[in-house]
Amino acid sequence: DQQVKQNSPSLSVQEGRISILNCDYTNSMFDYFLWYKKYPAEGPTFLISISSIKDKNEDGRFTVFLNKSAKHLSLHIVPSQPGDSAVYFCAARTGYSTLTFGKGTMLLVSP
Amino acid sequence: DSGVTQTPKHLITATGQRVTLRCSPRSGDLSVYWYQQSLDQGLQFLIQYYNGEERAKGNILERFSAQQFPDLHSELNLSSLELGDSALYFCASSVATSGSDEQFFGPGTRLTVL
Repeated sequence: DQQVKQNSPSLSVQEGRISILNCDYTNSMFDYFLWYKKYPAEGPTFLISISSIKDKNEDGRFTVFLNKSAKHLSLHIVPSQPGDSAVYFCAARTGYSTLTFGKGTMLLVSP
Repeated sequence: DSGVTQTPKHLITATGQRVTLRCSPRSGDLSVYWYQQSLDQGLQFLIQYYNGEERAKGNILERFSAQQFPDLHSELNLSSLELGDSALYFCASSVATSGSDEQFFGPGTRLTVL
């Protein structure tokens, strides 16, 4: 039973445009959500997070939106750059539990 | 560079064998987490140690075991290996015990079972 789902295995976007990566979850007890970015041959690195008491969090070109009623979150990257090409993992946790990750979405930003 | 080191980077072995993966956390981090990433799978949490003690357990097979030593490095032991154990194994570390602390990941060990 996958509690965190990233239904798009891949996404292609042109440089300068917006990238939108989506994540759905089933566990309504999740109260904290994170996005990790992973380049080939490297481990995932933390990108941005959001608490369930918020519906938006911004950090530079990256914004995460949370829709609790729909159990959906999205990561927006504006403008997209070729260096953003990577696999993006959505993760969630309840209370002090460990993280539950999705399968990841591979983003390709072309010049 | 996250500060988390993992050795070896690559490991090729045969079915039925046993291997040990090693992880050194960031300086000052007391928690170590192990994850498995198989083909088409996300990061599956295996086990967490905090300051030498097991703190949380995830989808870890009985053939797998781990420990954290007094110097805080950790080892993941995989035995009676099967083809399906071929995967990337990541170690992560964080300062405290909570699974919600920001975790810093190592570069991973790619295990191939032939």
